[in-house]
Amino acid sequence: GQSLEQPSEVTAVEGAIVQINCTYQTSGFYGLSWYQQHDGGAPTFLSYNGLDGLEETGRFSSFLSRSDSYGYLLLQELQMKDSASYFCAVRKNYGQNFVFGPGTRLSVLP
Amino acid sequence: EADIYQTPRYLVIGTGKKITLECSQTMGHDKMYWYQQDPGMELHLIHYSYGVNSTEKGDLSSESTVSRIRTEHFPLTLESARPSHTSQYLCASSASQGAGQDGYTFGSGTRLTVV
Repeated sequence: GQSLEQPSEVTAVEGAIVQINCTYQTSGFYGLSWYQQHDGGAPTFLSYNGLDGLEETGRFSSFLSRSDSYGYLLLQELQMKDSASYFCAVRKNYGQNFVFGPGTRLSVLP
Repeated sequence: EADIYQTPRYLVIGTGKKITLECSQTMGHDKMYWYQQDPGMELHLIHYSYGVNSTEKGDLSSESTVSRIRTEHFPLTLESARPSHTSQYLCASSASQGAGQDGYTFGSGTRLTVV
């Protein structure tokens, strides 16, 4: 079987830093991606970790530890527009199929 | 500007009707995917294609079918819609080597309601 776990909801204030964790158990693993989805919108790609360590893209960073089957998305200098759902997704095989986690709903308060 | 297009954006149909959800991309991507997503829930892969004349079923059992006759076009068909098919259907594509580093590009989705 396969499962991904994320917190269902996270709340933070503008300007703060928030970390969204993702743990996974899958039959195969090639990498971990993160997607952002605003209400009523399509998911948009944020980051990908194929190797252990930290990847930084502007205010967003993503981390992977394959030995711990764990990753996280770090959002800094939170803005109201960051309020959205965030999904981790495991790349199961070389063919690039991804399995998505249940999503974390982030609410940024003024 | 969207490079992957889905039509219709919203659809309400009666039980038993046959429908086709359209998906087209202009990026020349080899790989295309259909995901089903209920509101606030995770995405489930229902079909994928790695190229023309190549289609596979995904992890979620689905009564739909797909075809890939042209690289840019990946329609999904429900032969006989049922209320249990009510959901959002998201189409996505990726370059052959890019789904990791570049991710999927998703369309805006089709919100289907079967009454």
